Amino acid sequence: QQKVQQSPESLTVSEGAMASLNCTFSDGTSNNFRWYRQHSAKGLEVLVSIFSDGEKEEGRFTAHLNRANLHVSLHIREPQPSDSAVYLCAVSPPDSNYQLIWGSGTKLIIKP
Amino acid sequence: NAGVIQTPRHKVTGKGQEATLWCEPISGHSAVFWYRQTIVQGLEFLTYFRNQAPIDDSGMPKERFSAQMPNQSHSTLKIQSTQPQDSAVYLCASSLEGMGGSQNTLYFGAGTRLSVL
Repeated sequence: QQKVQQSPESLTVSEGAMASLNCTFSDGTSNNFRWYRQHSAKGLEVLVSIFSDGEKEEGRFTAHLNRANLHVSLHIREPQPSDSAVYLCAVSPPDSNYQLIWGSGTKLIIKP
Repeated sequence: NAGVIQTPRHKVTGKGQEATLWCEPISGHSAVFWYRQTIVQGLEFLTYFRNQAPIDDSGMPKERFSAQMPNQSHSTLKIQSTQPQDSAVYLCASSLEGMGGSQNTLYFGAGTRLSVL
């Protein structure tokens, strides 16, 4: 069964510096990866969806997928204090078109 | 588009009471999901409806939890005889259709925080 792990658990970055978050998974045959973020006491907001190896950019958010290395990352360019939130990685198992396996999240704090 | 609407935002119940949580999916979305979120377990899948039909309820504790989708504009999650371990944030999400492609992103509501005393 697909397993998803995120690192680090917590990350503090200064405003304007690049923030990089990592997600590893156990089954490289998946082809549906998404990054979400959750501000305190709010729902989840999708940031980037990526379906093939390489890079996908959505505004200041860029995802890099390397299925051979079982790794997908999220890079946030010029982060602002409002980007402080929990970031969650979600992977669809290869045998399902609706299930998502979630990582436990990275708490990102952007210092002014 | 108001997004996925969940009510109430907060609910406090006494042990043994019933709790009903409401979800209004985004208009035109055919797939509705319920998740439970806790600090310890993270996000847990509960159940999934497609075109109002229950497709997968494998995450639902069978004895006390039930979910319905009587029409395309709302779904309910009912918890009977609530227990302290049911305390969590319950999230509803909808998507255009399942999760099979780029257009099928899950859009989440703000959640209902259930506290069982």
